Amino acid sequence: GNSVTQMEGPVTLSEEAFLTINCTYTATGYPSLFWYVQYPGEGLQLLLKATKADDKGSNKGFEATYRKETTSFHLEKGSVQVSDSAVYFCALTIGGSYIPTFGRGTSLIVHP
Amino acid sequence: SAVISQKPSRDICQRGTSLTIQCQVDSQVTMMFWYRQQPGQSLTLIATANQGSEATYESGFVIDKFPISRPNLTFSTLTVSNMSPEDSSIYLCSVGTGQKPQHFGDGTRLSIL
Repeated sequence: GNSVTQMEGPVTLSEEAFLTINCTYTATGYPSLFWYVQYPGEGLQLLLKATKADDKGSNKGFEATYRKETTSFHLEKGSVQVSDSAVYFCALTIGGSYIPTFGRGTSLIVHP
Repeated sequence: SAVISQKPSRDICQRGTSLTIQCQVDSQVTMMFWYRQQPGQSLTLIATANQGSEATYESGFVIDKFPISRPNLTFSTLTVSNMSPEDSSIYLCSVGTGQKPQHFGDGTRLSIL
């Protein structure tokens, strides 16, 4: 079956630090990959996506590259802000399905 | 992208009661989905709500506990019936169109005493 594995949180960083949140996947076929973000008290928002190998998704300073050889889609940001504090979910869809398989989520806490 | 409004945003309910959550979309959509997010956990799909047909429930979820209505292409409700403390969760509505990523409402934060 399909699954997504994320690094355990919380990830605690100081403002302006470099962020990496690891995400690896198992999929039958060629998935599309997504990162969603959930700010406190809100629903999920799509942060970025990549639909084929070597694609790089980017948004709001965040980036993730679809690595087929390592089945990974790690989220990175060069300089985090306090406002980036949230829970980040890695997810995939397969083929024509529009129902994502989500990872468990990684909480990010950024201190001033 | 679609704008999704969920009501109520939060509630505290007594054991044994039922609560109906509403999801309104600002455009017509074919597929609407209901998810549960238990504390500290990821999202679990409860059911897919299609207009004009019965909802399709995922394993572990039944219609008697989570009845769903989908009267038109912009609206759906989820009822959490006979609630117990284990039902304390965030309930999220989302919409999907074709192969585009799903868009989510802000969720309903439900606590059962």
